[in-house]
Amino acid sequence: EAQVTQNPRYLITVTGKKLTVTCSQNMNHEYMSWYRQDPGLGLRQIYYSMNVEVTDKGDVPEGYKVSRKEKRNFPLILESPSPNQTSLYFCASSLGISNEQFFGPGTRLTVL
Amino acid sequence: SQQGEEDPQALSIQEGENATMNCSYKTSINNLQWYRQNSGRGLVHLILIRSNEREKHSGRLRVTLDTSKKSSSLLITASRAADTASYFCATGDTGRRALTFGSGTRLQVQP
Repeated sequence: EAQVTQNPRYLITVTGKKLTVTCSQNMNHEYMSWYRQDPGLGLRQIYYSMNVEVTDKGDVPEGYKVSRKEKRNFPLILESPSPNQTSLYFCASSLGISNEQFFGPGTRLTVL
Repeated sequence: SQQGEEDPQALSIQEGENATMNCSYKTSINNLQWYRQNSGRGLVHLILIRSNEREKHSGRLRVTLDTSKKSSSLLITASRAADTASYFCATGDTGRRALTFGSGTRLQVQP
């Protein structure tokens, strides 16, 4: 089944404790992206990747890192999480930027 | 900044009625896409319309695009309770390698 998976689905952590949210897709998509969703603000893009080893900042990249060592995986790293990073995070993939994006189920992160 | 802005923010209708949502954007686009999100879940792609297209249909969905007014509309005909969700437009900007999402329209269809 074609899908985007994210782990963990729920995470409660404390300020400053490094964490990684994994994202994997099985559709051989070149384009992958991370978004955060906050009430009243819609989805905002954090980082995106056009292909392996090619990543770029989205609209709200501060406090986040990504890597794209393999085509299927695009982990999101929070080196020192802060409470303002409490949010619902989505990973998405597509053949290209102009194509339909497939979204993962979301990761609800709470930083205390 | 929000490229796509949906209107209305919330819409409540009865089952069987049509629902119309609008999206306005600011810059030149390659395409405009509509997505649906059930509460707290991932977004699901509904339909994509390219900048050289004016109208597109998919089942009970009809999307129009007016590039001169920088606006699009999504019409859901004969709505069902299962259509209750948030609907987002997303624009593919000619100058960016990213989709920009609006803040969405929350649709409630009463049975």
